Amino acid sequence: GAGVSQSPRYKVAKRGQDVALRCDPISGHVSLFWYQQALGQGPEFLTYFQNEAQLDKSGLPSDRFFAERPEGSVSTLKIQRTQQEDSAVYLCASSQGTSGTHEQYFGPGTRLTVT
Amino acid sequence: AQSVTQLGSHVSVSEGALVLLRCNYSSSVPPYLFWYVQYPNQGLQLLLKYTTGATLVKGINGFEAEFKKSETSFHLTKPSAHMSDAAEYVCAVSDSRGRGNQFYFGTGTSLTVIP
Repeated sequence: GAGVSQSPRYKVAKRGQDVALRCDPISGHVSLFWYQQALGQGPEFLTYFQNEAQLDKSGLPSDRFFAERPEGSVSTLKIQRTQQEDSAVYLCASSQGTSGTHEQYFGPGTRLTVT
Repeated sequence: AQSVTQLGSHVSVSEGALVLLRCNYSSSVPPYLFWYVQYPNQGLQLLLKYTTGATLVKGINGFEAEFKKSETSFHLTKPSAHMSDAAEYVCAVSDSRGRGNQFYFGTGTSLTVIP
């Protein structure tokens, strides 16, 4: 079937605006991850869902970041009152299982630019 | 916490030459290791992975990698580079601690193939 999709692919926000980034994982995948990738860096973990439960949000950089996956499929990452340091590519990944042996399938990312 | 180091953010090889991309990790538990490739405007695609068993793993497009526990390394190789191999390569590590399969990524290596 289709891979992981993300929308929008590009987002420009003025500082202080709220943004919402969407992720459609592969159908049936239990695990869903959000990562943040700054320019020249590898992806950094933000948060993890197992079905609809958010089991780990230790990577969220501040309380301006919020993620949800209410029905255990589509997920939304919301950033409130965006700041320039939030500019990055936000990657979503899904995985069939919950153990470390399962590969993660990545979406193309959403490039967020805060001006 | 785990960490991943990729030596050399940019590597250039001639077409037909050996490709060697280095990845070292730190982990206090047995790791699961992955190499991903990213082409422009596309998401990360899995090249190969090591979880258990044979330490030399073969992936797509003629790439292979060897897990060396004593050296905490998982270097990626290909005997003969093709122009189509030009891309960003990212090493990732997960583990077996059962808190979800969060990945830790290296900063990536950009491979250029010179005709």
